[in-house]
Amino acid sequence: GQQLNQSPQSMFIQEGEDVSMNCTSSSIFNTWLWYKQEPGEGPVLLIALYKAGELTSNGRLTAQFGITRKDSFLNISASIPSDVGIYFCAGQLIGGTSYGKLTFGQGTILTVHP
Amino acid sequence: GAGVSQSPRYKVTKRGQDVALRCDPISGHVSLYWYRQALGQGPEFLTYFNYEAQQDKSGLPNDRFSAERPEGSISTLTIQRTEQRDSAMYRCASSLRARDYSNQPQHFGDGTRLSIL
Repeated sequence: GQQLNQSPQSMFIQEGEDVSMNCTSSSIFNTWLWYKQEPGEGPVLLIALYKAGELTSNGRLTAQFGITRKDSFLNISASIPSDVGIYFCAGQLIGGTSYGKLTFGQGTILTVHP
Repeated sequence: GAGVSQSPRYKVTKRGQDVALRCDPISGHVSLYWYRQALGQGPEFLTYFNYEAQQDKSGLPNDRFSAERPEGSISTLTIQRTEQRDSAMYRCASSLRARDYSNQPQHFGDGTRLSIL
């Protein structure tokens, strides 16, 4: 099925470093979301973006909804060991019967070395 | 707890058997979604409901897959005559109503790991 292009696929960083990951699509979305998934658990919502150009922060996390509505990025500042996990972007499109459907990226695996 | 609850957490069954996976959404959430997640991939959409009405089933792979939500709360995803390729993590999510110009964030359960032998 269709998936978003998320990069990088994996990152290995030192504690304290900043992290940036992004997501691109060939299709327009009305909503972009960023989730984090840890082993044995379901994805947990981090940030939701509803307007093109919107920049939203949640603690050390900052995400932006691209102007073209075809991309989004997530930044994590001053990383800590508990940031370890898989980060997923997801796009949602309003229209027809597609109000509910989320399309996910392949995920970015983040490893933080103490 | 207050989150999305899925059962069972793990299901191992022989090829050809039918399986039923259950999802109990967050209280007050009227929209319910089913996704399937392969190892190393993001979740892929299967179907979703507003209350008891199935709004979109475009993601169901074939007619062996079906879902229902008869009373607008708990939902069951049923796979008939299972095949090995059906093995995956099946995830349920819920949200406040998905409707015009008001996308509500989806909150996920911990999933059911299905293994077909």
